[in-house]
Amino acid sequence: ELKVEQNPLFLSMQEGKNYTIYCNYSTTSDRLYWYRQDPGKSLESLFVLLSNGAVKQEGRLMASLDTKARLSTLHITAAVHDLSATYFCAVDIAGNQFYFGTGTSLTVIP
Amino acid sequence: EAQVTQNPRYLITVTGKKLTVTCSQNMNHEYMSWYRQDPGLGLRQIYYSMNVEVTDKGDVPEGYKVSRKEKRNFPLILESPSPNQTSLYFCASSWGGGSTGELFFGEGSRLTVL
Repeated sequence: ELKVEQNPLFLSMQEGKNYTIYCNYSTTSDRLYWYRQDPGKSLESLFVLLSNGAVKQEGRLMASLDTKARLSTLHITAAVHDLSATYFCAVDIAGNQFYFGTGTSLTVIP
Repeated sequence: EAQVTQNPRYLITVTGKKLTVTCSQNMNHEYMSWYRQDPGLGLRQIYYSMNVEVTDKGDVPEGYKVSRKEKRNFPLILESPSPNQTSLYFCASSWGGGSTGELFFGEGSRLTVL
């Protein structure tokens, strides 16, 4: 069974600071996804990383993928309150079976 | 507007009373899937469908059924709900095939089984 672990599970950070969320997975997968969920809302796609070494950036968020280490990171630069949400990483097997991490609940404090 | 629509959004029911949660997408996606979200466990896949009449079990299929008679619809059926099926359920779709696999989620259906 594929396992996806995120660290940390809870993150409280001050505005303007930088931090990284880590996502480790236990078996081979070349595709990794990051989603954002606001409280009481659905999940919104942030990044799709399709190959080893892939790096994508959107605003203050940057995601990277190392398939050899089975590790993805989501880096937050100069955090702002609007980034407060829960972030999930996910991997898939052959494009049909999806496995999600337990999520990282991020709170950005003014 | 491209969307995945789930109904009902909220439901309280009793043990053993059959229920169906509907899911419909208007993006002509081939792939559809169901997840349950529980605190501390993230999202877990229940069933998925690669195309019409093609369905398969995900990680936690026990107690659930699905069908895919039309491309746009993928209902989740709980034949005899039990309290351990109290959860937040999400339907999602994607292009499937050789696409990126990016999932588009519905708004969620919060189910309570008493």
